[in-house]
Amino acid sequence: DTGVSQDPRHKITKRGQNVTFRCDPISEHNRLYWYRQTLGQGPEFLTYFQNEAQLEKSRLLSDRFSAERPKGSFSTLEIQRTEQGDSAMYLCASSFSFRRDRNEKLFFGSGTQLSVL
Amino acid sequence: AQKVTQAQTEISVVEKEDVTLDCVYETRDTTYYLFWYKQPPSGELVFLIRRNSFDEQNEISGRYSWNFQKSTSSFNFTITASQVVDSAVYFCALSADNYGQNFVFGPGTRLSVLP
Repeated sequence: DTGVSQDPRHKITKRGQNVTFRCDPISEHNRLYWYRQTLGQGPEFLTYFQNEAQLEKSRLLSDRFSAERPKGSFSTLEIQRTEQGDSAMYLCASSFSFRRDRNEKLFFGSGTQLSVL
Repeated sequence: AQKVTQAQTEISVVEKEDVTLDCVYETRDTTYYLFWYKQPPSGELVFLIRRNSFDEQNEISGRYSWNFQKSTSSFNFTITASQVVDSAVYFCALSADNYGQNFVFGPGTRLSVLP
């Protein structure tokens, strides 16, 4: 078990370009979360998947953001027409949750640091 | 609305000193969960502890201890005999139901332990 993997670790892009990040959760984890963390702040929830279904999106997730989790395994987060305000660390987390089990424990990846110039 | 405050932005201590990281939370829920996570320079958040609102017992795990006081809405974290490897950003978090989409993180406290 290699934990939650995120790729790339760092991404530098010019304003207006599209970027895509990938997250590979711990195998057999059915829940996958995306968070955004800006400098000096804690992570903020963006969206999550239960298997392949995207069940909730935060108001922080503008129309330029889209996330997928085909086949309920890895997930991608795409940002279209990037803006300087999108510069942040994008963290992925996964967990195994059975029904309303409240013992869910999140395992985080190391994040993708995005810099929009 | 839920809110987590970590008033200490940065703390520096010398190795072997004890250090306490403060966390104050606000919630209207009667049932909730509190967490501490450690974020080392590598970036991933490492789970340290989860407490539910019904369990006010203090907990000790090695050099780490936590003091949960509902009366003051605080959940403070103490590291005894700090080590250089403790240097990291520490986040306190609150959730009404322990589900990741409902986590509210504080702004974090950056701890530097100097040799």
